[in-house]
Amino acid sequence: EAGVAQSPRYKIIEKRQSVAFWCNPISGHATLYWYQQILGQGPKLLIQFQNNGVVDDSQLPKDRFSAERLKGVDSTLKIQPAKLEDSAVYLCASSSSAGLSYEQYFGPGTRLTVT
Amino acid sequence: AQTVTQSQPEMSVQEAETVTLSCTYDTSESDYYLFWYKQPPSRQMILVIRQEAYKQQNATENRFSVNFQKAAKSFSLKISDSQLGDAAMYFCAYRRSGANSKLTFGKGITLSVRP
Repeated sequence: EAGVAQSPRYKIIEKRQSVAFWCNPISGHATLYWYQQILGQGPKLLIQFQNNGVVDDSQLPKDRFSAERLKGVDSTLKIQPAKLEDSAVYLCASSSSAGLSYEQYFGPGTRLTVT
Repeated sequence: AQTVTQSQPEMSVQEAETVTLSCTYDTSESDYYLFWYKQPPSRQMILVIRQEAYKQQNATENRFSVNFQKAAKSFSLKISDSQLGDAAMYFCAYRRSGANSKLTFGKGITLSVRP
């Protein structure tokens, strides 16, 4: 079974530029999550999708961040314009509705550096 | 709101020895899940062990076991026979029961293993 795929793995941009990250979850997983992990901290949920609908985006800075999952499969997270404090690893995870614990499987992440 | 606290930022253990990583959490829920995740340097996050709150028996996965104290809201991870490959960041995480609930992570602890 293929894992969660993310691209790119690394990205360096200047502040005020735009950037987009892509995630392809495990096949059949209905739920997809985007986390932001700042260096030295635990991941923080940015947005959660159930199929192509948003379940939770309460911690997404909507003035600059946007995300979509149009066909209920892969997803794109965009930052426009980027700030220095957006430097972090962006993790994508997915889970199935099968099983009680709804275990989340994580991708390798995209490390963003904003200069 | 649920919170997860990992008060030890770093720990070190001698190879083949045993180490315990501490975690406390706060919740008003009675049904939830607790997790320990491992994140090696520049590598993706993987699940180490999971504990269901309704189970009194502590979870065990090979060399990894937990001490779950529900009344005290404590959830520690014990790693026995530590190996060099155990060196990583370890995150404690909480999730209430239900399909769309999110993971709340602690800040993590960096574990180093001395040869």
